[in-house]
Amino acid sequence: QKEVEQNSGPLSVPEGAIASLNCTYSDRVSQSFFWYRQYSGKSPELIMSIYSNGDKEDGRFTAQLNKASQYVSLLIRDSQPSDSATYLCAVRGSNYQLIWGAGTKLIIKP
Amino acid sequence: GAVVSQHPSRVICKSGTSVKIECRSLDFQATTMFWYRQFPKQSLMLMATSNEGSKATYEQGVEKDKFLINHASLTLSTLTVTSAHPEDSSFYICSAGGLAGSTDTQYFGPGTRLTVL
Repeated sequence: QKEVEQNSGPLSVPEGAIASLNCTYSDRVSQSFFWYRQYSGKSPELIMSIYSNGDKEDGRFTAQLNKASQYVSLLIRDSQPSDSATYLCAVRGSNYQLIWGAGTKLIIKP
Repeated sequence: GAVVSQHPSRVICKSGTSVKIECRSLDFQATTMFWYRQFPKQSLMLMATSNEGSKATYEQGVEKDKFLINHASLTLSTLTVTSAHPEDSSFYICSAGGLAGSTDTQYFGPGTRLTVL
């Protein structure tokens, strides 16, 4: 069974520091990876997608992919209290379906 | 960006009634739409996948006769919860995918919070 694993947290990070969120996946042939942010009571919002090994940067966010280790991470630089949310890792399966991790709750402390 | 709307955002109904939720992709044609359910403090649970013009594919344990899905066009999918009961109270979220040039990214609607009394 294809799985996506995340530490549920909560992960507490001081404001201004780097938050590091990690995700591992079981399907070695997976090619597409996504990070979504979900605020309490709201629907998920796409932050980044990544398809190739290495780093992909978008503003304060950097996604890192290592297919050999089946590992994808999200770094948030200069963390802000507004970054406090649950971060969901997703890996593409068949028929455009996404296989979801359970999410990591991130708390940015002022 | 890709915008997906959902209507209604919140609905309260009596037990035994049916509720229809609409999901629209506003600025792109979505070949595939997904319906999720999320209970408080739990992760997203995929209910079904629907492709325009064909029958939806339901996940194991989801009753297709209770959760009717129609995907009549490339911009509209509907979920009807039939004979709703209190245990159906949940946050229902649709997403749309298959956007040309971004074939596997899913864009989510804002969700519908259903409360069955």
